[in-house]
Order: sequence, then C-alpha cells, then structure tokens
Amino acid sequence: EDKVVQSPLSLVVHEGDTVTLNCSYEVTNFRSLLWYKQEKKAPTFLFMLTSSGIEKKSGRLSSILDKKELFSILNITATQTGDSAVYLCAVGGGGTSYGKLTFGQGTILTVHP
Amino acid sequence: AAGVIQSPRHLIKEKRETATLKCYPIPRHDTVYWYQQGPGQDPQFLISFYEKMQSDKGSIPDRFSAQQFSDYHSELNMSSLELGDSALYFCASSLGQGNSYEQYFGPGTRLTVT
Repeated sequence: EDKVVQSPLSLVVHEGDTVTLNCSYEVTNFRSLLWYKQEKKAPTFLFMLTSSGIEKKSGRLSSILDKKELFSILNITATQTGDSAVYLCAVGGGGTSYGKLTFGQGTILTVHP
Repeated sequence: AAGVIQSPRHLIKEKRETATLKCYPIPRHDTVYWYQQGPGQDPQFLISFYEKMQSDKGSIPDRFSAQQFSDYHSELNMSSLELGDSALYFCASSLGQGNSYEQYFGPGTRLTVT
C-alpha cells in the first residue's frame, strides 16, 4: 500500500527561526512529490519535485528530493507568523495511477512572534 | 489568475439525503480530481477525470458517483448520505493527466450531514 509519512507532526518556533520539514514515501511507480500549504482552506501549491538533487526555491522556501532514499525536505528560513499552517506532502504515482495524490498526515507549523 | 471554483461552499444535509457538489476547473485544465478530507485528516483521493472520461478511482463509496462534462466542469453526486460523509470535499485540476502535472485545489465544499 502506498504510504507517505511526514515528520515532525507539529512544530512550534519563533519568528526568524529556520525549520526543516520531512517527508518520506513508499509509492510504486513514483512520478512526483508535491508540497502544499494549508491554512484552514484549500491546500495551496508550493512545489513539485520530480528529479533528485535539484533544489526548488521560492523566496524563503526551498525543497529538495532524494529518490534513492525516498524522501524530501521542505526548508523555511526566517520564519514569519504568516508561515503558520499545515504543510502537506503528497506523492503522485502508484499502480496504474494517472494522477491521484497520496497525502501525508501533514506537519502543523506554529510560528510565534 | 483564475482558480478552481467549487459550489456550494457549505452544505448541510440530513442522513439518507442526496447532495451534488460542483467543480469548475482552472480554464484550459482538462483533468479534475476529487478528494475528501475528514476532520484532522489528510485528503483522500476519491476519483479523477481526464477529457470527460474517468481516469482513476480511489476510495470512493458506491453511493457516490461523478462525471465530467463537455465544458470540463465536474459534479460529485452523493446519495444515501451518512454521518461519516461529513467532511471537506476538495476538487483539484491540472493541465493534462498523470503525475507530472501540478494539481491546484479549489476552496472546498464543507458538507455536514446531520
């Protein structure tokens, strides 16, 4: 069965801290790994990773994928209170899937002023 | 930029009733996905459509059915509603099917079954 595991499940930091969120997966026929930010509404797309070792960056957020070790990390530097959210990792693939995403349980990030 | 539109945003139904949720994908997107997110849980894939044909099926109950229309909008029909169907239902769309395409989520429909 396809599985996506995120850690830690929750994280509390202060503004300015740097955080690293982890996502490991076991999915047959891996195609892509996506990171989303969810703030009490729809998940907002952050990154999609398909190749190992290539860092994707957007402002203070960056992410990288290791297809050999089957994991990805999401880094957030100089955190702000607006970064408080649930960060979801999702993996595309599995069997004859044409696009379904399997989500991890999410990491709840709380950034205090 | 235009996003995925879902309607209604909130829906309250009684047990055994029927509900229809609608999803309008981002313009030019041809693939629609439906997910169910229970309280405190991660989204679970239900079903997807590409070019009006069902392309993938997940943990969708037999009481539910869905289709994609010629204008690419999709509807999720839910019958004989149960209390356990109370959840947030997301629709996502992408340009093209398969997992090399980014999926963008709509705001969700919160269904409450009483």
